[in-house]
Amino acid sequence: QSVLTQPPSASGTPGQRVTISCSGSSSNIGSDFVYWFQQFPGAAPKLLIYNNYQRPSGVPARFSGSRSATSASLAISGLRSEDEADYYCAAWDDSLSAFFVFGTGTKVTVL
Amino acid sequence: QGQLQESGPGLVKPSQNLSLTCTVSSGSITSRSDYWSWIRQPAGKGLEWIGRIYSSGRTNYNPSLKSRVTISLDTSKNQFSLKLQSATAADTAVYYCANGSLMDVWGKGITVIVSS
Repeated sequence: QSVLTQPPSASGTPGQRVTISCSGSSSNIGSDFVYWFQQFPGAAPKLLIYNNYQRPSGVPARFSGSRSATSASLAISGLRSEDEADYYCAAWDDSLSAFFVFGTGTKVTVL
Repeated sequence: QGQLQESGPGLVKPSQNLSLTCTVSSGSITSRSDYWSWIRQPAGKGLEWIGRIYSSGRTNYNPSLKSRVTISLDTSKNQFSLKLQSATAADTAVYYCANGSLMDVWGKGITVIVSS
């Protein structure tokens, strides 16, 4: 049902930069802010990025977000073992009535 | 922003209503302008936003669930609730409640299985 498409997996070695893409449309990413959530196994998701690139207090600066037209991306610089988790993009969609949609999710593995 | 705790039956029979409650342990649910949301996640799958309610009572629902979902506030108990009518096995998931327009505060989640 998700209208935001992410690659199922991404990986990197410690210290590397990993980028996760999120592809949407004019009714969601193209017209509203993008959010990113991080989720560890068995835990609730955690807000990582909001309003395209802003970080909540406590989120390290090595996590960065960007948006261009109908796509967005999350970059993790200086990859660390504790970054191994699932990452979901999200945005509001106004194609029908306003509703929030999550991306398909990307599993990041630290090699 | 307060702590959130989901509660409700862990097992629901098919065709019955799935009803969950989220208790807010810090601050009044209506003392500030804020959003209260429900999200679910089937085992091994992605997140699905169910809907949200504003402190005024205004609601937004996922169009795919709108015909079966009701989210409401119970100000006397400082809780908000989810009711999903006519549950099926496809509604089996971990259900989370969350707070804020950014959904930056989440409960730990509750597993609900729909099975006879």
